[in-house]
Amino acid sequence: GEDVEQSLFLSVREGDSSVINCTYTDSSSTYLYWYKQEPGAGLQLLTYIFSNMDMKQDQRLTVLLNKKDKHLSLRIADTQTGDSAIYFCAESHGSSNTGKLIFGQGTTLQVKP
Amino acid sequence: NAGVTQTPKFQVLKTGQSMTLQCAQDMNHNSMYWYRQDPGMGLRLIYYSASEGTTDKGEVPNGYNVSRLNKREFSLRLESAAPSQTSVYFCASSRDRGNYGYTFGSGTRLTVV
Repeated sequence: GEDVEQSLFLSVREGDSSVINCTYTDSSSTYLYWYKQEPGAGLQLLTYIFSNMDMKQDQRLTVLLNKKDKHLSLRIADTQTGDSAIYFCAESHGSSNTGKLIFGQGTTLQVKP
Repeated sequence: NAGVTQTPKFQVLKTGQSMTLQCAQDMNHNSMYWYRQDPGMGLRLIYYSASEGTTDKGEVPNGYNVSRLNKREFSLRLESAAPSQTSVYFCASSRDRGNYGYTFGSGTRLTVV
């Protein structure tokens, strides 16, 4: 079945770049997403990438997609303390077109001043 | 611009009690979803409604029922709460079967004692 895997924790210093990695199994996924969850809040869509793209850049965020290896990454440039949160990778259930998203376990990003 | 509104925000139930979690969206989205979030397990889909008038089971439907009351509202009912249902519940909606991502509510924190 579909599965999305992420490492659970990443710690960086303020000003450094952060790279959060994700692997997925569904080769028919049409969209892949990154969500951010701050403490006590719901999930906020950060960015998404179509499966026919290799890269997408949006200000400090860069998404890289390697379809061959089913690997997705999120790079945050110049990481700030306000970037501390849990980051979820998600893939769309491409074959069924029901809109279901499969989420990873989430990566907790800790930014040290 | 409310987006997705969930009520209540917090609830404590005794084992065996029933309750309904309410969700409403004002974005004219067709699809709505209920997820639960547990530590280290990411988000797991309970039920979803791809369009008004339809509902389908997700990954973890046992112990839950849903009602898509109209296009705006999608409720989740626990008929006989169990401690294993202690979790944070998120409602989400999407415009086009999940394409372009979901908009999430802020969550309901449920404790069953």
